[in-house]
Amino acid sequence: DGGITQSPKYLFRKEGQNVTLSCEQNLNHDAMYWYRQDPGQGLRLIYYSQIVNDFQKGDIAEGYSVSREKKESFPLTVTSAQKNPTAFYLCASSAGLLSTGELFFGEGSRLTVL
Amino acid sequence: AQRVTQPEKLLSVFKGAPVELKCNYSYSGSPELFWYVQYSRQRLQLLLRHISRESIKGFTADLNKGETSFHLKKPFAQEEDSAMYYCALTSSGTYKYIFGTGTRLKVLA
Repeated sequence: DGGITQSPKYLFRKEGQNVTLSCEQNLNHDAMYWYRQDPGQGLRLIYYSQIVNDFQKGDIAEGYSVSREKKESFPLTVTSAQKNPTAFYLCASSAGLLSTGELFFGEGSRLTVL
Repeated sequence: AQRVTQPEKLLSVFKGAPVELKCNYSYSGSPELFWYVQYSRQRLQLLLRHISRESIKGFTADLNKGETSFHLKKPFAQEEDSAMYYCALTSSGTYKYIFGTGTRLKVLA
């Protein structure tokens, strides 16, 4: 089954702890993205990666970190420096600049900080 | 600054009525506009893109560069159209996509 797989779907964390959200794709897409979805604020870009071993900050990168060691994987770490980490996180991918431009999304991960 | 504005958080219409979800954008280059939809318990997915000039599920959207708008329209709303709709923008040569805040469409029986 092709697509984007995010895990875990639900995650609880205590304040002060780092947590890593997994995102894997088997679409052979070059570009991958992390968005944060909050009610009334839409999707806000955290980080994106155009190619392996390269990534750029989005609009709300503070308190987050990413890596892109493999084409199919783009994990997101929510660090203790993120002031309001409770949110729904969406991972996406696209084929790249020569594609139709469509983003393919995962089912999301809901993080709750206790 | 790049920005996508969806002025309505919630839009309620009766079944069979026309529907228009508004999207305005601010972009200095040559934008590519999209509409994404999220049905209940489903993942976010592409509905249509302006370069395709398609009609998907009866929805159409025309890019108006003069008014910097990309409104989504459907002449007769159906109950299954109830969902969250997001307008998004990117530009050729960039990987960055900007989304609006979304509009929840409720189609009432």
